[in-house]
Amino acid sequence: QSALTQPASVSGSPGQSITISCTGTSSDVGGYNYVSWYQQHPGKAPKLMIYEVSNRPSGVPDRFSGSKSGNTASLTISGLQAEDEADYYCSSYTSSSTLVVFGGGTKLTVL
Amino acid sequence: QVQLQESGPGLVKPSQTLSLTCTVSGGSISSGDYYWSWIRQPPGKGLEWIGYIYYSGSTYYNPSLKSRVTISVDTSKNQFSLKLSSVTAADTAVYYCARGTMIVVLYYWGQGTLVTVSS
Repeated sequence: QSALTQPASVSGSPGQSITISCTGTSSDVGGYNYVSWYQQHPGKAPKLMIYEVSNRPSGVPDRFSGSKSGNTASLTISGLQAEDEADYYCSSYTSSSTLVVFGGGTKLTVL
Repeated sequence: QVQLQESGPGLVKPSQTLSLTCTVSGGSISSGDYYWSWIRQPPGKGLEWIGYIYYSGSTYYNPSLKSRVTISVDTSKNQFSLKLSSVTAADTAVYYCARGTMIVVLYYWGQGTLVTVSS
């Protein structure tokens, strides 16, 4: 069982917006602004899409945005495109001895 | 452009030691304020952080693996390595190396290498 809780799957049509949630506790997501989101296509390495809750690395489209409220972080993808279909993982720093926790991953299907 | 490449045996016998190397190109492993990390992903499952070695040489390991893990660096070869002892089938996974400015900001990743534990 993953430390951070994500929905197993979400779906949307091209052009629509979707949001993926990532729920933790006050020891991780709620306590620090150190939440990252990764995109992983089948057979590929994860790619950093969002760091420190809402910052985008260079090269990541501004269709991807991140936010946080309390113990839940969210990744929003607007203007869905076929190439956005992938697995998405959240990650957070944690005050526990584990230091880093991941969510179980969310499979995004573009209909 | 920084690139990372994992290498090592794809098959390890139970109770033996898994050894992987990550070769870094496009930048020196000893320069810069970076965390050099290992992450693994069992087939069809999610990501698990294994540990890191900081550019200063300090290390930190996931407590669930701490007793079996060693991460080291060879600056002369611009490589860092992972050793995981006493492996079982549960250690079968794709192993990734990565570089981050923070332990949760992993910007550069290797392509990953599948290690299967089986007799």
